[in-house]
Amino acid sequence: QQQVKQSPQSLIVQKGGISIINCAYENTAFDYFPWYQQFPGKGPALLIAIRPDVSEKKEGRFTISFNKSAKQFSLHIMDSQPGDSATYFCAAMYTGANNLFFGTGTRLTVIP
Amino acid sequence: GAGVSQSPSNKVTEKGKDVELRCDPISGHTALYWYRQSLGQGLEFLIYFQGNSAPDKSGLPSDRFSAERTGGSVSTLTIQRTQQEDSAVYLCASSAYRGSEQPQHFGDGTRLSIL
Repeated sequence: QQQVKQSPQSLIVQKGGISIINCAYENTAFDYFPWYQQFPGKGPALLIAIRPDVSEKKEGRFTISFNKSAKQFSLHIMDSQPGDSATYFCAAMYTGANNLFFGTGTRLTVIP
Repeated sequence: GAGVSQSPSNKVTEKGKDVELRCDPISGHTALYWYRQSLGQGLEFLIYFQGNSAPDKSGLPSDRFSAERTGGSVSTLTIQRTQQEDSAVYLCASSAYRGSEQPQHFGDGTRLSIL
């Protein structure tokens, strides 16, 4: 079954707007939550990651918000740009695991 | 280049044929992963190699799938008697070593199409 649930499946945002992508998980053993960005024809690239001991992490225009009690985390892209148009994947991993568990992806389109 | 290299980038083959996909990880990375990306399904873990340890094959979907890693570096994923449902993008990733604090670096994948 899908261990990490991601929504929405697709998102259209005006240039300059805020893009928000949400993920939820059930396994409380997860202790690492990365976000990956994927452009067409390319492999996913790590964008930003968070551990559950903090509620927010910001890197430039990208922010992860983490709610441990709700078992949810989200990616916020501030001042969205057309160059941000890509597919975004959330993922999770727990200590001792050999792999990441990925969400199903969100295709973001930023309209100029 | 310093990134993960995969070949071929595209492969079209007939149902029932065997295919071999290759991955060259980042030099010095001891951990290597194979994932499969199907349309709308996210990335599905297939197999993991760490150094000379026995691989974690728990994600392989059937016994038609196998993988090996020679000399702790290059890896090949083999699919025997391909089926149409095997059509997907096969992604390889590597990391410096195992552990959630080690980012996984992905190649651009092999797009496999089974006719």
